[in-house]
Amino acid sequence: AQSVTQPDIHITVSEGASLELRCNYSYGATPYLFWYVQSPGQGLQLLLKYFSGDTLVQGIKGFEAEFKRSQSSFNLRKPSVHWSDAAEYFCAVGNTGTASKLTFGTGTRLQVTL
Amino acid sequence: DTGVSQDPRHKITKRGQNVTFRCDPISEHNRLYWYRQTLGQGPEFLTYFQNEAQLEKSRLLSDRFSAERPKGSFSTLEIQRTEQGDSAMYLCASTSNLGVSGGYTFGSGTRLTVV
Repeated sequence: AQSVTQPDIHITVSEGASLELRCNYSYGATPYLFWYVQSPGQGLQLLLKYFSGDTLVQGIKGFEAEFKRSQSSFNLRKPSVHWSDAAEYFCAVGNTGTASKLTFGTGTRLQVTL
Repeated sequence: DTGVSQDPRHKITKRGQNVTFRCDPISEHNRLYWYRQTLGQGPEFLTYFQNEAQLEKSRLLSDRFSAERPKGSFSTLEIQRTEQGDSAMYLCASTSNLGVSGGYTFGSGTRLTVV
């Protein structure tokens, strides 16, 4: 069964500092990987996705993520964090079966200090 | 098209009551999903429709839960005899026939509180 681990429950960074959120996945085949962001009381917004090809993917809002098959990781990065980036971030793996279900990690809450 | 719409945004109900939520997906999307998100957790898959056919249900979807998508457009999720453990955010998502590779679009969710 597929699974996702986000080892950091809560991260605090200063505005302007760099950010890396960790994600490890378990999936038998080449995974479809996603990062979503959720503001309080809101739904999920897709930041970026990886299916194949270039292992460094660019997303919206200046985010990027790197797929490392050898480490089963898909870490999210941003070179300079803005206060508006404070939110909950979810990593997810999608299966390629009929239902195309997503399995999410438990999320990392990002706090940005000014 | 304004994306995936969910109604209501918030619902407070007494234990034992029935509740129904509605989801309107993006019009050209034929796949529709329901997920449940409890506090401090990521969303968990509940069920999936392709057009009007409900093709998969999670073990999380007890017999008190029923979902429909009668005309392959909007969907409803009903919970009968609500319990406090049903308190959660219920998220709807839709995607095209490309499935996961096409990317999900999520609604803003319905937050259910059972008192």
